[in-house]
Amino acid sequence: DFVMTQSPDSLAVSLGERATINCKSSQSVLSNSNNQNYFAWYQQKPGQPPKLLIHWASTRASGVPDRFSGSGSGTDFTLTISSLQAEDVAVYYCQQYYSSPFTFGPGTNVDIK
Amino acid sequence: EVQLVESGGGLVQPGGSLRLSCAASEFTFSDYAMHWVRQAPGKGLEFVSSISSNGGSTYYVTSVKGRFTISRDNSKNTLYLQMGSLRPEDTAVYYCARVGGGNWVGPFDYWGQGTLVTVSS
Repeated sequence: DFVMTQSPDSLAVSLGERATINCKSSQSVLSNSNNQNYFAWYQQKPGQPPKLLIHWASTRASGVPDRFSGSGSGTDFTLTISSLQAEDVAVYYCQQYYSSPFTFGPGTNVDIK
Repeated sequence: EVQLVESGGGLVQPGGSLRLSCAASEFTFSDYAMHWVRQAPGKGLEFVSSISSNGGSTYYVTSVKGRFTISRDNSKNTLYLQMGSLRPEDTAVYYCARVGGGNWVGPFDYWGQGTLVTVSS
């Protein structure tokens, strides 16, 4: 099974400042056949289901603000929130959908400093 | 707007059974593979099971294999998870989720609100 790790476990950032979350996969999620990374980021606010933020490593899902961006390839990925807003307080999960089971990272808790 | 609504959760004793349902609307259900994902209280997300759009292919995480059965009724736009031999460690909120793009493999683009299953005596 693919093992996903995230860092840090939690971070506190001032409003308007940048937040960066890293995720590492134990195996590459880059497909040789189509050069796509089978990788996503999700946001989960308290009491709500997860919401898809970024898919294919760097494509924002519909309606997601452009302050959210994803980068990386192969085994190492990054989610950046360029200017943290109060409504971005949440837990962020990475996920690979390259191979079953489609494993998630342990989550990173983002809060306001 | 795509809607997924889970139901069927509740309190069950260890060793018991429960069937979860996920009613889908506002999209062509039969075109999409579907998943179940669970989240234990205060914990992270755990992928549980998948089913292809026509129900012909299924997948289970090792911890539920032989105890859970995923199925779907495309005529009723409904996904199911039959859960048996339940254990306390199965206690979680269970979410159904749609696979974006209509393939077996893809991002989980829509999620239901979840249904809580509590396994306890």
